Amino acid sequence: AQTVTQSQPEMSVQEAETVTLSCTYDTSESNYYLFWYKQPPSRQMILVIRQEAYKQQNATENRFSVNFQKAAKSFSLKISDSQLGDTAMYFCAFMTPLGGSQGNLIFGKGTKLSVKP
Amino acid sequence: EAGVAQSPRYKIIEKRQSVAFWCNPISGHATLYWYQQILGQGPKLLIQFQNNGVVDDSQLPKDRFSAERLKGVDSTLKIQPAKLEDSAVYLCASSRPGQTERKYGYTFGSGTRLTVV
Repeated sequence: AQTVTQSQPEMSVQEAETVTLSCTYDTSESNYYLFWYKQPPSRQMILVIRQEAYKQQNATENRFSVNFQKAAKSFSLKISDSQLGDTAMYFCAFMTPLGGSQGNLIFGKGTKLSVKP
Repeated sequence: EAGVAQSPRYKIIEKRQSVAFWCNPISGHATLYWYQQILGQGPKLLIQFQNNGVVDDSQLPKDRFSAERLKGVDSTLKIQPAKLEDSAVYLCASSRPGQTERKYGYTFGSGTRLTVV
């Protein structure tokens, strides 16, 4: 069974600085998708960035980038120039491209990020 | 496009009472998911629908939880009777079913926060 582990329950960063959130996963699949979701107090899960396992190039979305290490099964999120609005829970998630029940999103326990002014 | 709509936003009930949650997915999204998110944890899949058929309900406590998706659009999740440990946020999400679309993840609603006292 696939599992996702986020080892940092809480983190804080000063506004405008850079922070990295860690995520490791366990799977025997060779093709899969990885995601980082943000969950602010409004509770809605918002997709931040995604990575396809067969792509070696790390994904970037504006201030957000990932460090994807497939052999190590590691998928960390780097937030540059942190803003107060980045304060939220961040969840790492895994999904296989298969359909049906095998293709569900599996989440880690989350990291609570606080951006301080 | 309109997002995933959920109601109610909050619900407080006494144990052994019943409760129902409603979800309206994004138009055209054939796949619908219900997730349970207990405080301090990542979301856990309860049930997945493809159109109006159940794809995966292996983690749904069927002695007390039930769900339906009439006409392949709206869905209702019911708990009867509720227990204290059912206190959680119940998130609904939807996606297009194809493998190409799945790599973009799901679109989530804002969830219903249930408190059982």
